Amino acid sequence: DSGVTQTPKHLITATGQRVTLRCSPRSGDLSVYWYQQSLDQGLQFLIQYYNGEERAKGNILERFSAQQFPDLHSELNLSSLELGDSALYFCASSDGTGGRYGYTFGSGTRLTVV
Amino acid sequence: AQSVAQPEDQVNVAEGNPLTVKCTYSVSGNPYLFWYVQYPNRGLQFLLKYITGDNLVKGSYGFEAEFNKSQTSFHLKKPSALVSDSALYFCAVRDRGDSWGKLQFGAGTQVVVTP
Repeated sequence: DSGVTQTPKHLITATGQRVTLRCSPRSGDLSVYWYQQSLDQGLQFLIQYYNGEERAKGNILERFSAQQFPDLHSELNLSSLELGDSALYFCASSDGTGGRYGYTFGSGTRLTVV
Repeated sequence: AQSVAQPEDQVNVAEGNPLTVKCTYSVSGNPYLFWYVQYPNRGLQFLLKYITGDNLVKGSYGFEAEFNKSQTSFHLKKPSALVSDSALYFCAVRDRGDSWGKLQFGAGTQVVVTP
């Protein structure tokens, strides 16, 4: 157990729907990062939050949004889902250095859009 | 901008033989470098990191990596591979001077260790 908790582990939904992925960072970590892993795109950075504020944005689609709450857990919202959104979504957390010493990853949420 | 290249999609090695997984990087400043491993249906697990100091870094499960600044490389090595080392390996880089910079991951190298 890495200490980063992601729920749910698996999600199957239909095209056009909206889903929410949840992440609880490791205790004491202030930063949360979201990554998408697909077979053809590899590991793609989506977005980073630090202590409730957005700090960096990557290749995140406009249909996707995220937030970090006061208790530091984070949610990734995916809407108007398309078949191509099927992927593994990872959350990672790091300490107050902003990830200078690396991240701790959760076990991921596998999203299947049918 | 920062980038990472893992030139081999797959590395095949027999159990007991040395294992090397290659990684080269590009950053505008000085790098922080990392190796992660991913087993099937699992998250990425940290193996080792180079922050500063000795160029040879020792990590988990007998792995080590050598930072070579002139060649901008950070190859992962293990003297004697095990079948259980079969997994997907990711190299990652971050610019030391960028306070909020993200880790940039390579495309990954699949390691297959045969008995």
